[in-house]
Amino acid sequence: NAGVTQTPKFQVLKTGQSMTLQCAQDMNHNSMYWYRQDPGMGLRLIYYSASEGTTDKGEVPNGYNVSRLNKREFSLRLESAAPSQTSVYFCASSWDSLNTEAFFGQGTRLTVV
Amino acid sequence: GQQLNQSPQSMFIQEGEDVSMNCTSSSIFNTWLWYKQDPGEGPVLLIALYKAGELTSNGRLTAQFGITRKDSFLNISASIPSDVGIYFCAGRKSGGGADGLTFGKGTHLIIQP
Repeated sequence: NAGVTQTPKFQVLKTGQSMTLQCAQDMNHNSMYWYRQDPGMGLRLIYYSASEGTTDKGEVPNGYNVSRLNKREFSLRLESAAPSQTSVYFCASSWDSLNTEAFFGQGTRLTVV
Repeated sequence: GQQLNQSPQSMFIQEGEDVSMNCTSSSIFNTWLWYKQDPGEGPVLLIALYKAGELTSNGRLTAQFGITRKDSFLNISASIPSDVGIYFCAGRKSGGGADGLTFGKGTHLIIQP
């Protein structure tokens, strides 16, 4: 059981470069999420997709865009990376968006220099 | 922003000791989840709670959904070295939208030999 798979695991970008973080889940979940984790800040929601075809901003969406490509895949794009976006990014999915537990991928450690 | 207060921030204990940590909020939650994160990994779900007053166990772990629906507790009995990690509480607010979980900032558990 793969669960939630994120790629890449590590990435170093120069300021101003763009990149897309990929996420796929094989649990037939309807809802998917992108979080960032910073020391002392816990996990903060960037964007979410309650169901296929919908996306919405979370707590810290600035500098990011997302695409819910299909039910399985939810990508996060940084159009012009900034050092403040150095973080560990986690994708998660859940059966629905209201009352069920979320399962997480292993994370992408991104450094912007 | 963060609306969950998780304490303690860190715990230094001896192997075999019991551990208690908690999360409180000013908002009412209808779901409480407890996760554990090992270094370099994503959070892994330990226990999910759905009803006020619910007490649920998973091996040596026991968690409770507070009666007021504004707090939750996690206890670990007879700690062992593999319990080391960061424990996060997370909740879904009552009446909230489809915007994922609110996370506490984590409790760092360190076991001294």
